[in-house]
Amino acid sequence: QSVLTQPPSASGTPGQRVTISCSGSSTNIGSNTVNWYQQLPGTAPKLLIYSNNQRPSGVPDRFSGSKSGTSASLAISGLHSEDEADYYCAGWDDSLNGYVFGTGTKVTVL
Amino acid sequence: QVQLVQSGSEVKKTGSSVKVSCKASGGTFSTYGVSWVRQAPGEGLEWMGGIIPIFGTADYAQKFQGRVTMTADESTSTAYMELSSLRSEDTAVYYCARAALTYNYDTSGHSYNWFDPWGQGTLVAVSS
Repeated sequence: QSVLTQPPSASGTPGQRVTISCSGSSTNIGSNTVNWYQQLPGTAPKLLIYSNNQRPSGVPDRFSGSKSGTSASLAISGLHSEDEADYYCAGWDDSLNGYVFGTGTKVTVL
Repeated sequence: QVQLVQSGSEVKKTGSSVKVSCKASGGTFSTYGVSWVRQAPGEGLEWMGGIIPIFGTADYAQKFQGRVTMTADESTSTAYMELSSLRSEDTAVYYCARAALTYNYDTSGHSYNWFDPWGQGTLVAVSS
């Protein structure tokens, strides 16, 4: 089982704001940066946010990331139908000496 | 802009091995690492390990220690992941991804940071 815990699902109507939480510990989120990946149905994951709150080129600014202590969050403001996907938080864990992914959150656009 | 192109789907018998390739197209791995991540049907993402091609240094997740071997050929900008003693639970899509690295100069250690871009994935099906 994953050491990073996310809610299994989240939903909203177009234009709404959706927030996804990622809970970890002092050995992962508490001491390393957090990254977020988006996985559209049937496709490979894509980097969405890196280093807690940085967006790669081409990622819309409606996606934002934040981190506080041993938790992180991804916010999608102004939800679009094409945002319907699975979202994973991830980062390095010093205790496991390995990279860990969150349990994943399925976002549904109602 | 570098793209990662993986080898095609594989069907394997339990107890056998599989080797998946990942070629950087339009560039090289440069100073980045290459990580391997797998996803079983209907499940989440699982990090298997990674390799730093310029050093040839591989790191494996504890779960796969002794069963996985990651290599890289800098001359062809290709990374490989070989998984042995296959069992049905290894049925999954296997992804490679270019990995940004963080170095700790105090400990001479390193860690994997973000993964971008990703390969298209390789389905490995294992059955008896």
